[in-house]
Amino acid sequence: RKEVEQDPGPFNVPEGATVAFNCTYSNSASQSFFWYRQDCRKEPKLLMSVYSSGNEDGRFTAQLNRASQYISLLIRDSKLSDSATYLCVVKSYGQNFVFGPGTRLSVLP
Amino acid sequence: ETGVTQTPRHLVMGMTNKKSLKCEQHLGHNAMYWYKQSAKKPLELMFVYNFKEQTENNSVPSRFSPECPNSSHLFLHLHTLQPEDSALYLCASSQASTAGGSYEQYFGPGTRLTVT
Repeated sequence: RKEVEQDPGPFNVPEGATVAFNCTYSNSASQSFFWYRQDCRKEPKLLMSVYSSGNEDGRFTAQLNRASQYISLLIRDSKLSDSATYLCVVKSYGQNFVFGPGTRLSVLP
Repeated sequence: ETGVTQTPRHLVMGMTNKKSLKCEQHLGHNAMYWYKQSAKKPLELMFVYNFKEQTENNSVPSRFSPECPNSSHLFLHLHTLQPEDSALYLCASSQASTAGGSYEQYFGPGTRLTVT
């Protein structure tokens, strides 16, 4: 089993849609969780850290379920500019960052 | 954002050349990383430095040689590369795990390398 798995995608959604991405991780000792976005041929950029109680940043909401070892990202009112690959990243203390394979999102006009 | 810079941004080299990639971070971090990303593939971790000490070498061929002279600078020396080494090479930095605090990792813009 891979350490971090994500929805295979791609997701093709119309503008204004709500879309949710799922991510599961295998290491129960994981402590830090992040969502990054990566545009085509560009570097990954931190979208948001994921906190135990869940957190929201504008149209983006991240949730963490430690019992199920599951992280989610919800994007509301999607924009064309949200088109990118979304990477789930997990870290344990003293260990390296582990990146998921990513889920590609295309928001269509 | 200029927290992590990389030079050059593009590099074309022959298989017999020797070149170096440079990374510099201005975020006060003490861990630095090299990743490789081939076309349409996930990130592959290559090397990790914590407090200037190499703590990870992810089975990387010896034709790639990292150097970390201080916590702000990281180099990747390249020699006798193969065409399959063509990829985007990304540098990143973060706080080291032992340093406490948040561990967000920040990436440079990458060097797009083509080996001919």
